Amino acid sequence: DAGVTQSPTHLIKTRGQQVTLRCSPKSGHDTVSWYQQALGQGPQFIFQYYEEEERQRGNFPDRFSGHQFPNYSSELNVNALLLGDSALYLCASSWLPGETQYFGPGTRLLVL
Amino acid sequence: SQKIEQNSEALNIQEGKTATLTCNYTNYSPAYLQWYRQDPGRGPVFLLLIRENEKEKRKERLKVTFDTTLKQSLFHITASQPADSATYLCALDPYNQGGKLIFGQGTELSVKP
Repeated sequence: DAGVTQSPTHLIKTRGQQVTLRCSPKSGHDTVSWYQQALGQGPQFIFQYYEEEERQRGNFPDRFSGHQFPNYSSELNVNALLLGDSALYLCASSWLPGETQYFGPGTRLLVL
Repeated sequence: SQKIEQNSEALNIQEGKTATLTCNYTNYSPAYLQWYRQDPGRGPVFLLLIRENEKEKRKERLKVTFDTTLKQSLFHITASQPADSATYLCALDPYNQGGKLIFGQGTELSVKP
């Protein structure tokens, strides 16, 4: 049974560019949450998708947007990249909102 | 302000000893609290969840306590091993609304042989 998968594993972009990160949830899970983790910090909640709708959102600007597809996979889009967006982006899935979240390996984004 | 804090300094212990990590929170009334393990460059791995009506929970060499009066959770690893070396994160759902986890900054544990 595959766990949560994310792609790509690493990414380098320049300021002002746009990026799309992808996540496939664990089999049987329909809820996907995205987190940003800066070096030496705990993950910070970006938003959560359930039934293809954004259900909850953290304190992130509108440059951060997402989508959930009918197969429950999800994308995180970040526009107008800033240097401060450099971080590990984590996707987590659960079989319902509020249930235990299982994390993927993350995508390491570097903005130059 | 609302916050969740863990031991900021790294914890260094000898193999075989018990490691105790602390998680304190303010201005929340979470229904449950979770502990995760994170290895460098990897995603967090779920370890244990403890609910507000549970004082203590155990899983193999792991033990978690949850004191809602003190607003504190303690995480213990008994008979620690070098393979337990990692960063340990506590997390809670501050408004019990299903899945918006707030994490502490993590405590780095190093177990020396």
